[in-house]
This record gives sequence, structure tokens and C-alpha cells, in this order.
Amino acid sequence: NAGVTQTPKFQVLKTGQSMTLQCAQDMNHNSMYWYRQDPGMGLRLIYYSASEGTTDKGEVPNGYNVSRLNKREFSLRLESAAPSQTSVYFCASNLILVEKLFFGSGTQLSVL
Amino acid sequence: QQQVKQSPQSLIVQKGGIPIINCAYENTAFDYFPWYQQFPGKGPALLIAIRPDVSEKKEGRFTISFNKSAKQFSLHIMDSQPGDSATYFCAASSRSGSRLTFGEGTQLTVNP
Repeated sequence: NAGVTQTPKFQVLKTGQSMTLQCAQDMNHNSMYWYRQDPGMGLRLIYYSASEGTTDKGEVPNGYNVSRLNKREFSLRLESAAPSQTSVYFCASNLILVEKLFFGSGTQLSVL
Repeated sequence: QQQVKQSPQSLIVQKGGIPIINCAYENTAFDYFPWYQQFPGKGPALLIAIRPDVSEKKEGRFTISFNKSAKQFSLHIMDSQPGDSATYFCAASSRSGSRLTFGEGTQLTVNP
């Protein structure tokens, strides 16, 4: 059982470049989330999808877009990367909202 | 705005000591308070959680103490071990809410 799988693990971008972070879960969870982790700021929610076909903004959605491709997959897109988006990004999922979150191992993104 | 404030930012104890991490929240609608543990290079994982109908919950060496009137909760680690060295995040949410709000995180180091 793989759980929550994120790709890539590391990425370096130049300012203005675009990229998509991929996330897939094999636990038949309904809800999926994207967080960013920055030193001293904890985990901040970027976007979430309560169920297949729905997406909602979190605390820090500016500069990001998401797609809930199907029940398993939830992608995060940076259309025009900025240095302020340098962070570690985590995908997470759970069966229903609020309850125990299962996290992926993260993507370390640097924007130069 | 940070709805969950966590302290201290970092903590160093000797093996066998009892580190205590504190969190305070503002939203009185919060009714679910989990703690997540994160090892370097990994995603956070649920450690223990409490609901406000009890004032304390123990799981092994980990205890959550909850003070509803003060809107505070804390994590105590009994007989701490070097393997407990990790970053700990408190969080909070409401049953009617859609996502967890995390604290800033505490980096715990347990020296041998």
C-alpha cells in the first residue's frame, strides 16, 4: 500500500516558469489537500478538494491552481513561479473532512 | 492570521526529560485538536488527538492536556527518547469546518 505519492521530490525552477506537482492516493479517500510548509509558519493550506469534482481555496491560494483529475489524483499547478513560492509542498488525503490526514513525503521546490 | 499559536519554536531536552509543547486557539468553534509528528524528509503523521469533552488523553508516552476555558492545549512526552526528536505540530478544526488549522511547529531535540 503506497498511501499518498507525490512527484517530483525535488524541483528547481526559474522565475516565471510553470510546473505541475502531482499527487495520487490509493486509500479510496474522498478528500485531498495541498499544503505548503515554511520555517516558522507551520503548514498552510493552499487548496483542497472535499470530494471528486469539487475544489476550494485555502489560506494561501494566490499563484496556484488545482485539478481534481479523479478520485485518486489531485494536482497543483504553478503558472508563473515566483521566489516566494520556494517551499516544501505536501499533498494529503483523508476519508472525510477534518479526520486523520495522511501526508505524502513532500516536494522541495526552489524558485530562483 | 494565525488562529492557532504554538510555543516554543524549538526545545532541547535530555533523554528521560518531559518536554511540553503548548498551543492556544482563538476560535471557540474548534472541537478537534490533533498533534502531528514530522521526521526530517517525511510528511507529518497523526500522533494523538483530543476532543473537548475530556481534559486529558494518553497514548503510550504521549499525553494531551486540554483546558477549554483557557482555550489552550498541550502535548507532554514522558520519558523522552532520542527517537522522539522531530517537529511537532498542533492543529485545530471544527466539526462543521472543512480543514485543519496548524500551529507554527516545534522542533524537539532529545539528547542522549
